[in-house]
Amino acid sequence: DIQMTQSPSSLSASVGDRVTIACQASQDISKSLNWYQQKPGKGPKLLIYDAAKLETGVPSRFSGSGSGTDFTFTISSLQPEDIATYYCHQYYNLPRTFGQGTKLEIK
Amino acid sequence: QVQLQQWGAGLLKPSETLSLTCAVYSGSLSGYYWSWIRQPPGKGLEWIGQINHSGSTNYNPSLKSRVTISVDTSKNQFSLNLRSVTAADTALYYCARGEAILGPWGQGTLVTVSS
Repeated sequence: DIQMTQSPSSLSASVGDRVTIACQASQDISKSLNWYQQKPGKGPKLLIYDAAKLETGVPSRFSGSGSGTDFTFTISSLQPEDIATYYCHQYYNLPRTFGQGTKLEIK
Repeated sequence: QVQLQQWGAGLLKPSETLSLTCAVYSGSLSGYYWSWIRQPPGKGLEWIGQINHSGSTNYNPSLKSRVTISVDTSKNQFSLNLRSVTAADTALYYCARGEAILGPWGQGTLVTVSS
């Protein structure tokens, strides 16, 4: 199985801050990576697919980059409604695997 | 806008079979894979498996011996059966459209295994 390692596991930032989350794959996965946002009590929501493509309707302050084994998810200006847990997800191989999540809080 | 609504028993005893169903509204099963994912309390996401409208499946090897995913095209639904459950199967279970890019997701069903 491909292991996905996210960092940090939790993050506290202020409104307006630039926030960055890293995700590292245990092997080359090309650009086969998605990012999801999960708010408390809700199912995950797709934000970024194919490493860097913004899902329709998702605010442009969210972005993704990377390829191979190293990927980055960025919120350019943190908003109060962005409080959630964020997960990376690889679909290069079966079984599909997820990072352990990054819990984002407002400082 | 495609919506997924899921249901099933929420409390099971060890050794019983978990059964969940996910109905697809405002869309067809055709042309997509449909997935099941679970999330143990306070933990991350685990992919269980997937099925397409023709019934072709892929399962997580860690669960393969106990899992069956099936599809009912006449009802526009797909289902998850997990046999011989233990406390380790206690989790929030989600259905989702897709096999690579997952979305939308169902609302989730909490399944608790306890004697």
